[in-house]
Amino acid sequence: DTGVSQDPRHKITKRGQNVTFRCDPISEHNRLYWYRQTLGQGPEFLTYFQNEAQLEKSRLLSDRFSAERPKGSFSTLEIQRTEQGDSAMYLCASSLAQGRGYTFGSGTRLTVV
Amino acid sequence: QKEVEQNSGPLSVPEGAIASLNCTYSDRGSQSFFWYRQYSGKSPELIMFIYSNGDKEDGRFTAQLNKASQYVSLLIRDSQPSDSATYLCALEGGNDMRFGAGTRLTVKP
Repeated sequence: DTGVSQDPRHKITKRGQNVTFRCDPISEHNRLYWYRQTLGQGPEFLTYFQNEAQLEKSRLLSDRFSAERPKGSFSTLEIQRTEQGDSAMYLCASSLAQGRGYTFGSGTRLTVV
Repeated sequence: QKEVEQNSGPLSVPEGAIASLNCTYSDRGSQSFFWYRQYSGKSPELIMFIYSNGDKEDGRFTAQLNKASQYVSLLIRDSQPSDSATYLCALEGGNDMRFGAGTRLTVKP
């Protein structure tokens, strides 16, 4: 068990570019979550996968955001046509079951310039 | 009204004192409640979870839940400078977890 891995740790991109982040959850965890966190705020839910199925997506999530978990293992989060407001820490988490809490990855810090 | 409300702090306590962190929530249907610790620049890490009314103790930490009052708290006994962090309250509803904005705790030597 190597924990939840996220890549890259940091990403600086120009406004309008597309970016993709990767998350590798704990291997036996079938639940995977993406969150976004800005300074002084708690993590904000983006989307949830159970195995390969995307079961929930935040209504706040712009259609520029898309996530996949093609084989029920790793997941990717893509942001198209990035905006300065997308600058944040993007956190991935996984869990074994509801009610057991999440294990978070180290996050990907995105800066849009 | 936010789903999960926390006093943003900062809360400052001397080393060895009891730190008391509070959280209120709006969804009466919430069943599971969590406390996470987040050091500056790091990701949240789970400290405790509680489901039933009353107290739950784990080492120096005690979580308290009062569903009638929609109130969750975390007590940290014998606070240490290494406890200085932001503490996030969270509740699980449906398929995701909702977080408060966190309370920043500083323990002064």
